[in-house]
Amino acid sequence: AQSVSQHNHHVILSEAASLELGCNYSYGGTVNLFWYVQYPGQHLQLLLKYFSGDPLVKGIKGFEAEFIKSKFSFNLRKPSVQWSDTAEYFCAVYENSGYALNFGKGTSLLVTP
Amino acid sequence: DAGITQSPRHKVTETGTPVTLRCHQTENHRYMYWYRQDPGHGLRLIHYSYGVKDTDKGEVSDGYSVSRSKTEDFLLTLESATSSQTSVYFCAISERETYEQYFGPGTRLTVT
Repeated sequence: AQSVSQHNHHVILSEAASLELGCNYSYGGTVNLFWYVQYPGQHLQLLLKYFSGDPLVKGIKGFEAEFIKSKFSFNLRKPSVQWSDTAEYFCAVYENSGYALNFGKGTSLLVTP
Repeated sequence: DAGITQSPRHKVTETGTPVTLRCHQTENHRYMYWYRQDPGHGLRLIHYSYGVKDTDKGEVSDGYSVSRSKTEDFLLTLESATSSQTSVYFCAISERETYEQYFGPGTRLTVT
């Protein structure tokens, strides 16, 4: 079965620091990849997605992610975080023999002033 | 935001009582999903629907049933609620199976 691993469960950064959150998946075939963000007390919102083409994907709020097929990875990055980026971040993978998204367990990000 | 509403938004119920949660969409999307979110577990799929009257089980379907009689509504029923079903429940919709999902605001359910 497909599995999605997010390496960091909790990350604490100061404002203006750079962010990279890891995501790896186990399926070797064609995949669609997503990052979602959940602000405190809110629902999940789509940050960015990758289906095909340029492996460097830009999303909302200055986030980007890079798909590295050889490493089965889809890491999320932001050059300079803000306090308002404090949230939980979920990586999700759809593989073409499955029926639904597989979510990682999430990474909780706290950005301190 | 996608047009998805969930009702109720909060509910406290007693063990053994039936509970129905409703998800309503105005996007006319074919696919609808029910997830539960628990600390340390992330999101887990309970049931999903790929059309009116077409549903299937997800990862954690035991103790839950669903129905979809109209495109816009997807109901989740706990026949006899247990304390282990205390959770936040999210509905999601998707235009196609492989596309991104859009999430509703969630229902916080407490079973005492």
